[in-house]
This record gives sequence, structure tokens and C-alpha cells, in this order.
Amino acid sequence: GQNIDQPTEMTATEGAIVQINCTYQTSGFNGLFWYQQHAGEAPTFLSYNVLDGLEEKGRFSSFLSRSKGYSYLLLKELQMKDSASYLCAAVDNYGQNFVFGPGTRLSVLP
Amino acid sequence: DADVTQTPRNRITKTGKRIMLECSQTKGHDRMYWYRQDPGLGLRLIYYSFDVKDINKGEISDGYSVSRQAQAKFSLSLESAIPNQTALYFCATSDLGGAETQYFGPGTRLLVL
Repeated sequence: GQNIDQPTEMTATEGAIVQINCTYQTSGFNGLFWYQQHAGEAPTFLSYNVLDGLEEKGRFSSFLSRSKGYSYLLLKELQMKDSASYLCAAVDNYGQNFVFGPGTRLSVLP
Repeated sequence: DADVTQTPRNRITKTGKRIMLECSQTKGHDRMYWYRQDPGLGLRLIYYSFDVKDINKGEISDGYSVSRQAQAKFSLSLESAIPNQTALYFCATSDLGGAETQYFGPGTRLLVL
């Protein structure tokens, strides 16, 4: 079967660092995406990992461990505008199917 | 102009009515997808299409049908709408290969009374 799990909600303070975890089980694997989604809006692409390790992109970094079926998204220097849902999605072989987690709603407090 | 557009953006309909949600894209992508999003459930795949002659059922296709009229157009129909189809619907596109992200339309908010 296919299953993606992430925490439902998280809260952090402006200027802090937060780590959002994602565990996955899929039939075949061809990469892990992270998306940001503000309330009522479309998801937008943040990062893609297919090999083990850390990918850094400005304030956002994403990590993947294929052997553990685990990824995390790290957000540094949090800003109020980072309050949003963060979606983890695994892609099966050949990119035929994206399986999304339930999303983690992050609230950044002043 | 937006690369992926959806019409209508909001729709209220009654139980039993047939409705169509439309999606158009200017990205030139072959692959198109329809998802629904419900609170706490994330995005769930309804149907997807890898080219004009290819249609595939997703996780939750019952009660829905699709039509791929052209590379750029992918429509979702609810033949007889029911209240539990009330949701936010997203169309998405992607290019060939697993490393290509999906690009989402702005969404259609549907309410079935």
C-alpha cells in the first residue's frame, strides 16, 4: 500500500527554526516533493529530493533518507508569511503517481 | 497570465445536478491531473492523463468522469453531484519524468447542497 504521514499541526515563533517530518511507504519510489500551500490557494513547489542527503535552498532545506522512508523540511529564520500548510508528496516509479500526505499546518507566532 | 487555469473558481450546485469543472494549461505539458482536497485529508487523486488518448483512474474516481479534449484541456465532470463531493478541486500538470514537479491551478471551490 501507499501511505504518507506527517504531523497535523505545528507552532513556532518568528525567527526560530522548525523541522517538519514526513514518513512514507510507497510501491516504488522516484522522489519526494515538498509543497507550501496558503489557505485557499494552490500548492506551490518548494523542493525535490531523490537521493539521500540534504538539499538547501535559501531559508528552506529538505532532507531525505530512502532507507528509512523519511524526509524532513527545515525552515530557518521563520517569518509570519511562512504560516501555511506544508505538503509532503512521494512519487512512484516513472513519476506516474504523486501520493500526498495530509499536510502539516504551521502557525508562526510573533 | 497564469499557466494553469480553472473555471469556475467557485460553484454552488444542488444534489443530483451534473456539473463540469474545466482546466486549461499553457505550459505544454503532457500530463494532467485532477485532485480533491478535504480538511485533514490532503490531496487525493481523482483521475490523471498522460496524453490525449490516455485516461487513468486515481484513488477516488467513483462518481467522477473526465475528458481530455486536447493536450491543453482536461475536464472533470460530476454526473450526479452529492453533498460529500463538496471540496476544493485542483487541476495540476507535469512534464515527463519523475523529477518534474506538478504545477497547480488556483482551485475550484465546490459546494453541493
